[in-house]
Amino acid sequence: GQNIDQPTEMTATEGAIVQINCTYQTSGFNGLFWYQQHAGEAPTFLSYNVLDGLEEKGRFSSFLSRSKGYSYLLLKELQMKDSASYLCAVRSRAGNTPLVFGKGTRLSVIA
Amino acid sequence: EAGVTQSPTHLIKTRGQQVTLRCSPISGHTSVYWYQQALGLGLQFLLWYDEGEERNRGNFPPRFSGRQFPNYSSELNVNALELEDSALYLCASSFGTPRNEQFFGPGTRLTVL
Repeated sequence: GQNIDQPTEMTATEGAIVQINCTYQTSGFNGLFWYQQHAGEAPTFLSYNVLDGLEEKGRFSSFLSRSKGYSYLLLKELQMKDSASYLCAVRSRAGNTPLVFGKGTRLSVIA
Repeated sequence: EAGVTQSPTHLIKTRGQQVTLRCSPISGHTSVYWYQQALGLGLQFLLWYDEGEERNRGNFPPRFSGRQFPNYSSELNVNALELEDSALYLCASSFGTPRNEQFFGPGTRLTVL
């Protein structure tokens, strides 16, 4: 089966750092994606990891450990506009194949 | 470059009716995916089309169907609507780059009464 787990909700303070964890158990692995989704809007691509390690892109970083089936998304210098749902998704096979999504983590950034 | 477009934006139907949702992928993208996002649930994969062919379908009943046209646009049809079909229906497209990230449209909000 395919299973992706991430916390349902998190709250963090403006200017702080927050780490959103994701664990996965899938029949195969060919990449892990993080998407951001503001309420009522489409998900937008944030990051992609296929090899172990940290990928940094501005205020956002994503980490992958394939042996542990684990990833995290790190958001630094939080801003109010970062309040959104963050979706972890795994592609289990190579090519243009569908993604398996977690239920998403709703992040609230407070002043 | 235009993104993925979907129509209509919102739709209200009653139980038992049929609905057709439309999606136009990013120019040059040959793969189209349909996902259902019901309240409180994650995105659930519905259908995948590539080069005009259905490549895979998720764990949904046969009353969910669709097709892809020669210009790579796609339709999702849902027959015999049920209350639990109320959801946001998202279309995504991708192209065969190594990363193959999917770009999502704004979605169609379907309400079944």
